[in-house]
Parts: sequence; structure tokens; C-alpha cells
Amino acid sequence: AQTVTQSQPEMSVQEAETVTLSCTYDTSESDYYLFWYKQPPSRQMILVIRQEAYKQQNATENRFSVNFQKAAKSFSLKISDSQLGDAAMYFCAYRGGDTGGFKTIFGAGTRLFVKA
Amino acid sequence: NAGVMQNPRHLVRRRGQEARLRCSPMKGHSHVYWYRQLPEEGLKFMVYLQKENIIDESGMPKERFSAEFPKEGPSILRIQQVVRGDSAAYFCASSPWGSNTEAFFGQGTRLTVV
Repeated sequence: AQTVTQSQPEMSVQEAETVTLSCTYDTSESDYYLFWYKQPPSRQMILVIRQEAYKQQNATENRFSVNFQKAAKSFSLKISDSQLGDAAMYFCAYRGGDTGGFKTIFGAGTRLFVKA
Repeated sequence: NAGVMQNPRHLVRRRGQEARLRCSPMKGHSHVYWYRQLPEEGLKFMVYLQKENIIDESGMPKERFSAEFPKEGPSILRIQQVVRGDSAAYFCASSPWGSNTEAFFGQGTRLTVV
């Protein structure tokens, strides 16, 4: 069974600085997708960034980028130029891609605090 | 194109009552997933449904919980004889068949059992 591990329950960053959130996963599948979701106090699950496992190039979305190490099964999220609005819970997630419609597996989450 | 719609947003039930949570997937989506989020925890998979079929219910408690996704109408997550430990946020997500992208999440239903 696939598992996702986030070893940092909480992280803190100064506004305008850079922070990296860690995530590791375990799978025997060769084709899958990895995601980072942001959950603000409103509880809405907001997709931050997506990475297809077959792509070697790390995904980037504006201030958000990932470091995807497939062999190490590591998928960290880097937030540059942190803003107060980035404060939220961040969840790393895995979704199998061998066939359509697989369930998404979530890590326990990392709470990010942003200091003004 | 409306997103995944869940209702109600908040639901209060007394112990022993039944809770019904509804989820209307995005237009064109045939797969629905239910997740439970306990306070300060991540989302735990409960069940995966297609129209009129339960595909994977490995995360569903064996008793009191059931889910359906009928041919017409929303998907329903039903919790019978609720207990305080059922208090949580319940999220629904949907995706089209054969999707190689993410599932799209609703805003969740916050169930409080008093």
C-alpha cells in the first residue's frame, strides 16, 4: 500500500524568506502523481502544485516549486518570498496513475506559520 | 462550470441520530471520493464510488457508515447512530474517468455530534 509521510508537524518562516516543506512517500507503482495542497482556515483544499512521476523536470508555479527525487521517493515543496497569506496547513499527496480514478493518499500535514 | 458542491456546510446531530452528507460532483465527473478529516489531522480516504458502484471502501468503518452514488442525483454519505467520535470534516472529491490529473475537492461538511 502507498504511504505518504510528512515529518514536520510545524514550520515557521519570516515574511519574504524561503521555506522548504518535506515529504517522502512509498510506492511500488511506476506511474503516479504527486501533489501539494494548501488548506487555509476556511478548510478549502487548494491545489498548489502537481508533479507527474514520469517527468524529470521539477514543477514550478510562481513562488512555489518542488524538488522531486524519484529514486529517493522524496517530494519537497519550496515556497519563495513567503507571504502572510501562505500561512496554512500544507498536505503532500499521492495518486496512482496506472489506471484512472485512483484514490488520493494524504500525509499528516505541515502547519506553516509566516512571521511579519 | 460549478465545482464540487457539498451540503450542508455544517451539520449538528445529537448522539444516536443519523447524518446524511451530500456531494454533487463536477459536471462530467463519474468518480466520487469521500474523505474524513479529524481535527489537526490529514484527510483519510473512506470510499471511492462510480455511478451505482462502490469501487473501493477500504477506508470505511465496518458499521454505521454507508455511501452511495446513484444513477441520478448526488452521492450520499450516511452515518447512522452518530457518536461524538464521528465529529469531523467530511470532504468529497470528484474526477472524470481515466483522469491523469488531480481530483477536485468540495468545501467539506463539518459534522458536530453533541
